[in-house]
Amino acid sequence: DTGVSQDPRHKITKRGQNVTFRCDPISEHNRLYWYRQTLGQGPEFLTYFQNEAQLEKSRLLSDRFSAERPKGSFSTLEIQRTEQGDSAMYLCASSSDTGDSGNTIYFGEGSWLTVV
Amino acid sequence: AQKITQTQPGMFVQEKEAVTLDCTYDTSDPSYGLFWYKQPSSGEMIFLIYQGSYDQQNATEGRYSLNFQKARKSANLVISASQLGDSAMYFCAMRRPSGGYNKLIFGAGTRLAVHP
Repeated sequence: DTGVSQDPRHKITKRGQNVTFRCDPISEHNRLYWYRQTLGQGPEFLTYFQNEAQLEKSRLLSDRFSAERPKGSFSTLEIQRTEQGDSAMYLCASSSDTGDSGNTIYFGEGSWLTVV
Repeated sequence: AQKITQTQPGMFVQEKEAVTLDCTYDTSDPSYGLFWYKQPSSGEMIFLIYQGSYDQQNATEGRYSLNFQKARKSANLVISASQLGDSAMYFCAMRRPSGGYNKLIFGAGTRLAVHP
């Protein structure tokens, strides 16, 4: 499978615990994005990486959230001291910056987070 | 501010019939991109079709076509010959016009049910 992969697919955690999600983009894609989707809504942009550089962070990304892409390949999204309002699906996506393929952004299957 | 509006929370269609899912957008920038994604219950966002604001012709991809009416700021998705597997959530999205990368703004989605 050469698509965007995310791990874990589902996570249930107690309030106050830390969680980390991993995303492996399509191998030749240098752009990587994180989105958050709550029930009944469309995804909302969280952050963007060009290679290893984090170039934009949404105001939705509070201080408890941190994302990294240390070698410009896979990325991690960590949520510290989780709150019930963090319950959502976290979607990772990737794209290329070359030619028409740059018009297409490919998403993973998402990581569902439930904070109890 | 940029905004995507999908006014149909739910739609149903008979198998083999065509269906149109509505999308209107708001932007003051002359350059932008419009996307449609399908999200089955598994959660993955599946890219369907893309339309650039300067494209002269409406985009088509197999059974999917985009009815782009620039003056009305609408980008409706037409699915021809509906199949049971088309039952899913459908999201319209707009790419942020500046910066070049694919920061997407999504609508709230339309749930499509295909009946046999």
